[in-house]
Amino acid sequence: KAGVTQTPRYLIKTRGQQVTLSCSPISGHRSVSWYQQTPGQGLQFLFEYFSETQRNKGNFPGRFSGRQFSNSRSEMNVSTLELGDSALYLCASSNLQNGQGPNEQFFGPGTRLTVL
Amino acid sequence: AQSVAQPEDQVNVAEGNPLTVKCTYSVSGNPYLFWYVQYPNRGLQFLLKYITGDNLVKGSYGFEAEFNKSQTSFHLKKPSALVSDSALYFCAVRDSANYQLIWGAGTKLIIKP
Repeated sequence: KAGVTQTPRYLIKTRGQQVTLSCSPISGHRSVSWYQQTPGQGLQFLFEYFSETQRNKGNFPGRFSGRQFSNSRSEMNVSTLELGDSALYLCASSNLQNGQGPNEQFFGPGTRLTVL
Repeated sequence: AQSVAQPEDQVNVAEGNPLTVKCTYSVSGNPYLFWYVQYPNRGLQFLLKYITGDNLVKGSYGFEAEFNKSQTSFHLKKPSALVSDSALYFCAVRDSANYQLIWGAGTKLIIKP
């Protein structure tokens, strides 16, 4: 099976712009989670989707939003970009049984966002 | 509240020596525990997990981890370190009633030849 793919791999934006990142999970995986990774803050959970429903949301402002499509592909959007949004954004998919279970997450390579 | 602690920001080990990367956790129910590794400029890769059963879990690349319920720890170990093991290691936990993973801050492992 193909792994988790994320597009684009690199993005450069300026403050105030908005950005959309895309994630395609492993075929058959219905759970998709998003994380922000920065050197100072480590791995921060953004949100998790399962069957097009957001089940969990981390402690991020409303500028960060996401959605999941019927084919389990997911997008996250960041509006009104700030310098502090520069980070590696990671997407992970999981093959949760009935939406639950201890299954591990499989990560994509990430999108490196730089805000100037 | 659930939490994970990786007390060491960095661990230095000579090649060929055993290595240990520490992780302690706090959950209200039965823990599900995970270790992931991140090589430079790459996403995270799953190494191993503990769900139930044998306290010693074996994973990828010769790594293993020992679950210790009384000490609420899940330390990652390898008998003989390789230079290629140099990477960032993350411990994560969730309890059986909650599907959100809680992540440690990560430990940078440096293996010197």
